[in-house]
Amino acid sequence: QKEVEQDPGPLSVPEGAIVSLNCTYSNSAFQYFMWYRQYSRKGPELLMYTYSSGNKEDGRFTAQVDKSSKYISLFIRDSQPSDSATYLCAMSSTSGTYKYIFGTGTRLKVLA
Amino acid sequence: GAGVSQSPSNKVTEKGKDVELRCDPISGHTALYWYRQSLGQGLEFLIYFQGNSAPDKSGLPSDRFSAERTGGSVSTLTIQRTQQEDSAVYLCASSLVGASSYEQYFGPGTRLTVT
Repeated sequence: QKEVEQDPGPLSVPEGAIVSLNCTYSNSAFQYFMWYRQYSRKGPELLMYTYSSGNKEDGRFTAQVDKSSKYISLFIRDSQPSDSATYLCAMSSTSGTYKYIFGTGTRLKVLA
Repeated sequence: GAGVSQSPSNKVTEKGKDVELRCDPISGHTALYWYRQSLGQGLEFLIYFQGNSAPDKSGLPSDRFSAERTGGSVSTLTIQRTQQEDSAVYLCASSLVGASSYEQYFGPGTRLTVT
């Protein structure tokens, strides 16, 4: 079993839909969580960074962490065709580390 | 300002040949990372450079892989005697500070195909 599991998709939604992207993990020591967006033929770019449990909101994006279920989510409201990309989750057990464990990514397609 | 650049963007090589992949980090970024992204796999950490400290090579999959960083800036990842399982996208990232910075800036990657 991988430490971080992520459904590869593709996930296709109509423009304007609310999108839910998820990762599950097995290591209860993880407490730093990140979401990256990766467009085709580009490097990942950091979208959200959260620590421990709870929600964090940034514009149309909300990151949610449920440590009791070992489950993290990224919600995208009012999705746009420009949101079409692969979304990667990453996590670590300590701050000050560069060795994040990445999910395989979920491919999202937002249809106009 | 300019982001992280990598060259070449694509590389096709024959099995057994050596390849060199180049990374130019963002100016002023002291930390530099190499990752490998294979189909169906998450990003796999390869190596980390921070300033003049000894690099963390713990992620290199075999002794066919090596990397250097000259003058604290440009880095080269070398794969000797390439194998088909080396086919992947190799991503470079840099950050202002190493271990205490979670915000890494990634380059577009080099897509390596070993035939």
